[in-house]
Amino acid sequence: EAGVAQSPRYKIIEKRQSVAFWCNPISGHATLYWYQQILGQGPKLLIQFQNNGVVDDSQLPKDRFSAERLKGVDSTLKIQPAKLEDSAVYLCASSLQVSNTEAFFGQGTRLTVV
Amino acid sequence: QQQVKQSPQSLIVQKGGISIINCAYENTAFDYFPWYQQFPGKGPALLIAIRPDVSEKKEGRFTISFNKSAKQFSLHIMDSQPGDSATYFCAASNSFNKFYFGSGTKLNVKP
Repeated sequence: EAGVAQSPRYKIIEKRQSVAFWCNPISGHATLYWYQQILGQGPKLLIQFQNNGVVDDSQLPKDRFSAERLKGVDSTLKIQPAKLEDSAVYLCASSLQVSNTEAFFGQGTRLTVV
Repeated sequence: QQQVKQSPQSLIVQKGGISIINCAYENTAFDYFPWYQQFPGKGPALLIAIRPDVSEKKEGRFTISFNKSAKQFSLHIMDSQPGDSATYFCAASNSFNKFYFGSGTKLNVKP
């Protein structure tokens, strides 16, 4: 079974620039998550999708972050404009169904904002 | 507000020893408690998980102890090996599968 695919693996941008991350979840997984992991901290949920609908985006900084999951499969996360404090690893995860099931994580995209 | 509190922040254990990591939560709506293992440059991977209807779950050298009344749970790694050196995260989720992670414990097992 193929895992969660993310690209790019690394990205360096200047502040105020924009950046986009892509995620392809495990086939058949209805739930998709984007997490932000700052160095030395645990992952923090940014947004959770169930198919192509948003379940929770309460911690997404909506003035600069946006995410979409068209057709309930792939997802993109965009930051515009980026700030220095956005430097982190952005993890995508997916799970089979909504309740009480394992979330499988991708390797993440390491973003450095300079 | 941190939903899941994890300690210690770092842990050094000799090979063959027992590693113990503790977590506490406040929200009684949580009903699934996984532990994730993360190696550098990799995403977290599920190690073992427990539901609140049992007090202990063991898989190989890894055991979760769960105390529902105290709202605490812990990970025990028996016969710790250098290959276990990684960062461990506890987590808790509700019926909507929204996961809250602890701050992580960096484990170093000395040969």
